[in-house]
Amino acid sequence: NAGVMQNPRHLVRRRGQEARLRCSPMKGHSHVYWYRQLPEEGLKFMVYLQKENIIDESGMPKERFSAEFPKEGPSILRIQQVVRGDSAAYFCASSPQGALVWNEQFFGPGTRLTVL
Amino acid sequence: LAKTTQPISMDSYEGQEVNITCSHNNIATNDYITWYQQFPSQGPRFIIQGYKTKVTNEVASLFIPADRKSSTLSLPRVSLSDTAVYYCLVGNSGGGADGLTFGKGTHLIIQP
Repeated sequence: NAGVMQNPRHLVRRRGQEARLRCSPMKGHSHVYWYRQLPEEGLKFMVYLQKENIIDESGMPKERFSAEFPKEGPSILRIQQVVRGDSAAYFCASSPQGALVWNEQFFGPGTRLTVL
Repeated sequence: LAKTTQPISMDSYEGQEVNITCSHNNIATNDYITWYQQFPSQGPRFIIQGYKTKVTNEVASLFIPADRKSSTLSLPRVSLSDTAVYYCLVGNSGGGADGLTFGKGTHLIIQP
């Protein structure tokens, strides 16, 4: 059973471009979480999705960021018109049920976004 | 108000037992306590979770006193490979994303 897959592992974008980060949850998991981690910082929750639904997006910046988890295919975190401050590691996690912290989350290896 | 407080860093030696304490003075009745481990350039990995008293698995033990205002992660006989950042989280099903704040964690460094 493959773990959580994220791609690309490294992504370089110039200011103003779009970044698309993909996350395939573990088999059988229908709940996906996205986090952002700045250097030397902890993980900051961004958004929690279930298939075709956004459950909690309280950690998402109001502009330029969006996330989706379609019925088929991976979850996508999209960042439009990237700025240097978006440079960070973005982690995706999945869980078999929708409970939050009391349920074990399985994390992917992350996507490291660098904005030039 | 931060939900949890942990030491920023700790040092120990191979073969020792390491205890990392997390303070959560405002823990709610239905909150659980969960610990994750993160190695550099990797995503966090679940270690252990508990509600009260003591929980033990093949990796660690979690001690939670009766008032639940703190918890202690205990790693027996650590090795160099236990060098990592350890995060304490507190939350429940109705608490929303507050329970998903990892904070800066505790940087544990194990020396030979």
